[in-house]
Amino acid sequence: DTAVSQTPKYLVTQMGNDKSIKCEQNLGHDTMYWYKQDSKKFLKIMFSYNNKELIINETVPNRFSPKSPDKAHLNLHINSLELGDSAVYFCASSQITGGVSGYTFGSGTRLTVV
Amino acid sequence: GESVGLHLPTLSVQEGDNSIINCAYSNSASDYFIWYKQESGKGPQFIIDIRSNMDKRQGQRVTVLLNKTVKHLSLQIAATQPGDSAVYFCAVSGGYNKLIFGAGTRLAVHP
Repeated sequence: DTAVSQTPKYLVTQMGNDKSIKCEQNLGHDTMYWYKQDSKKFLKIMFSYNNKELIINETVPNRFSPKSPDKAHLNLHINSLELGDSAVYFCASSQITGGVSGYTFGSGTRLTVV
Repeated sequence: GESVGLHLPTLSVQEGDNSIINCAYSNSASDYFIWYKQESGKGPQFIIDIRSNMDKRQGQRVTVLLNKTVKHLSLQIAATQPGDSAVYFCAVSGGYNKLIFGAGTRLAVHP
């Protein structure tokens, strides 16, 4: 059973389109995250939700909008896609009750904007 | 601000040798440290973690050393194998229970 699953794995789309990436975790964790990994492998946090509540919102264009319908799901919607949005997007989850702990990552969504 | 750096972007080792990957961090308030391994086309996978009340922790073939005085973290891999070839990330705790990742070190293991 995949602990953190995200779909799709690959996404190729044209500039200006709107797209969504979905993420689900079956670990019972209370917190979920979106990270962006650029071409140099640098991982940068974008958003974090704890029990459906937004707790981290880094400096991300407002074209990116996360949505958490419940604590097991965190989706990422991107409007008006730009070339610079091309990257690998990782969803992760963790249990932060009691303090920070390691994240479990999904396998990533490679977004290519053409 | 918070930052995490790595000393070497690429490390090449011979199969069977020991590998050491280093990481420097800047936030003295960080109290949780973790190493991840990322293979091509996959997400980062947990290797080992350590909290600030410890200076050494061992796992299977891996050891993490923490020097809080100089804000330095290292990952030692014993008897490196071809399957250890990957990009390795250190991450440290920041505010709001988030992890701040370093830039990554690519480990290349040669037969």
